[in-house]
Amino acid sequence: DAKTTQPNSMESNEEEPVHLPCNHSTISGTDYIHWYRQLPSQGPEYVIHGLTSNVNNRMASLAIAEDRKSSTLILHRATLRDAAVYYCILRGTSYGKLTFGQGTILTVHP
Amino acid sequence: GAGVSQTPSNKVTEKGKYVELRCDPISGHTALYWYRQSLGQGPEFLIYFQGTGAADDSGLPNDRFFAVRPEGSVSTLKIQRTERGDSAVYLCASSPGGARGSGHEQFFGPGTRLTVL
Repeated sequence: DAKTTQPNSMESNEEEPVHLPCNHSTISGTDYIHWYRQLPSQGPEYVIHGLTSNVNNRMASLAIAEDRKSSTLILHRATLRDAAVYYCILRGTSYGKLTFGQGTILTVHP
Repeated sequence: GAGVSQTPSNKVTEKGKYVELRCDPISGHTALYWYRQSLGQGPEFLIYFQGTGAADDSGLPNDRFFAVRPEGSVSTLKIQRTERGDSAVYLCASSPGGARGSGHEQFFGPGTRLTVL
């Protein structure tokens, strides 16, 4: 799977929007963009995924650049519970392994 | 409904011993994954089962690691002759599986923290 690049850490204030960037310049045409997050002392949790179009669900929105070389996970109103490590992952199919990088540590201030 | 469960939650063993870690996936999920996570790192893939068979075991680090899923449900990860470097959190995940797009979401368990002294 192609590699992704994310900032090591980001900070936000509670109830403010958060935009978490991910670069994936070597993405192939069939790669899905997945986001998972991992709260302290828990297993990772699926957040959202997309292929070409922007996606929304109850947790977040995923904005995908037109050339697909980058994407942004948007948390519309951060809460303290959103403090976690966020992983951006490319995957060529809907099954098979996930290849995690270092992720972005999100800190949310009250 | 019940999520993925893993037992034990913590396991402390001595170098050279044998350990078994168990994963109970979500009922009906045909795909099951094992990962391990060292401190400060992202999870690292070990093995993927589709039903009873290992579809991808490319992440197993060496022949001391072995996993089974004999009835296509519960899975056991087995580590022989444990080494201090095996200390990590071992995570299990399951998904509906298949090639029809239903497997995008993997559901993770809480993990088993293995400490090898």
